[in-house]
Amino acid sequence: KAGVTQTPRYLIKTRGQQVTLSCSPISGHRSVSWYQQTPGQGLQFLFEYFSETQRNKGNFPGRFSGRQFSNSRSEMNVSTLELGDSALYLCASSLVAAAGQETQYFGPGTRLLVL
Amino acid sequence: GDSVTQMEGPVTLSEEAFLTINCTYTATGYPSLFWYVQYPGEGLQLLLKATKADDKGSNKGFEATYRKETTSFHLEKGSVQVSDSAVYFCALSDRNTGNQFYFGTGTSLTVIP
Repeated sequence: KAGVTQTPRYLIKTRGQQVTLSCSPISGHRSVSWYQQTPGQGLQFLFEYFSETQRNKGNFPGRFSGRQFSNSRSEMNVSTLELGDSALYLCASSLVAAAGQETQYFGPGTRLLVL
Repeated sequence: GDSVTQMEGPVTLSEEAFLTINCTYTATGYPSLFWYVQYPGEGLQLLLKATKADDKGSNKGFEATYRKETTSFHLEKGSVQVSDSAVYFCALSDRNTGNQFYFGTGTSLTVIP
């Protein structure tokens, strides 16, 4: 079974631009979560989508948004980029058979550099 | 709220040494506990997990036991190899907060020959 895929793997943007990242979950997985990873803050939860609905949201500004499509693929968007948005963005998928016990499977990440 | 506290790194060990990485947690409900590993330039991979008290997760020689009385989930390996060099993350998932994961800050391990 193919794993979680994320595109693109690397991105360079300038301040003020916007960016869209894509995630394809493992086949059959209906939950997709997004995380931001930085050396200073570690792994921080952005949001989770299940059946096209945002189910959980972390403590990030409204510039960060996401959506999920009917095939469970997900995108996240960051508008008006700031230097501090430079990070590795990780996507994770899970089956969600039982809340709280599900293993999340991570993609390789998209490394975003904002200049 | 829920949180995970993980041993500060970096940790440097010689090959075949014993490894312990401490992890303690705070949770409002009955969490599942996980260890993930991240190799350079890659995403996180599940190493092992335990879903209830006294469960022991194990994989590739690594072990961790879910201790409810001490709210801990320490990672151990009897004999580390150079290939174990990576960053290790402890995490919890609490059914009270749906599928949201809470991660520790990560512990960098370097194993030298």
